[in-house]
Amino acid sequence: AQSVTQPDIHITVSEGASLELRCNYSYGATPYLFWYVQSPGQGLQLLLKYFSGDTLVQGIKGFEAEFKRSQSSFNLRKPSVHWSDAAEYFCAVGAREYGNKLVFGAGTILRVKS
Amino acid sequence: EAQVTQNPRYLITVTGKKLTVTCSQNMNHEYMSWYRQDPGLGLRQIYYSMNVEVTDKGDVPEGYKVSRKEKRNFPLILESPSPNQTSLYFCASSLSGLGRGRDEAFFGQGTRLTVV
Repeated sequence: AQSVTQPDIHITVSEGASLELRCNYSYGATPYLFWYVQSPGQGLQLLLKYFSGDTLVQGIKGFEAEFKRSQSSFNLRKPSVHWSDAAEYFCAVGAREYGNKLVFGAGTILRVKS
Repeated sequence: EAQVTQNPRYLITVTGKKLTVTCSQNMNHEYMSWYRQDPGLGLRQIYYSMNVEVTDKGDVPEGYKVSRKEKRNFPLILESPSPNQTSLYFCASSLSGLGRGRDEAFFGQGTRLTVV
């Protein structure tokens, strides 16, 4: 069955520390991969996307993600977290197998300690 | 400015009272869809539309209707809302069907609906 897994429901990091949010998906071929961020009371903002090519993708706000085909993963990283990064982060996958939709993970809530 | 606009942003209603949440996009996108967001479940697709007069069910269509009479608008209709439809709703648009090409979805700001 199609699925996108974000294993961590909540993550707390100190301001200035590095961050990695995990995302795994189930799909045979290479899907289209996205990370969205949702700040409190806001809509979804696209951080970055991967369609093909270089497996390390740079996004906005200093985020990057790495596609690892062998692990079916697309983890989001940031070297130094800022208090304004506190939000909920969603990994999403688009693929022909999934039809005309994005399949979302359950989300990871990031808390930043000062 | 390219955007997807939903209205209202917040709505409290009573069980059984018909309501409509509007969605409009100014990017001339063919593809539009509705999602609901519930804690621990992420976003799940309710309905989608590939073009004017073409709509189809997503993963959780029960209790909802949609229409696509114009390219820019894609309203979500709850004919008889129930408490289990209390949720955060997002409208999205993209150039083409997601998963069919190198496309990304643009999302509205969300509508928080409470049915009592």
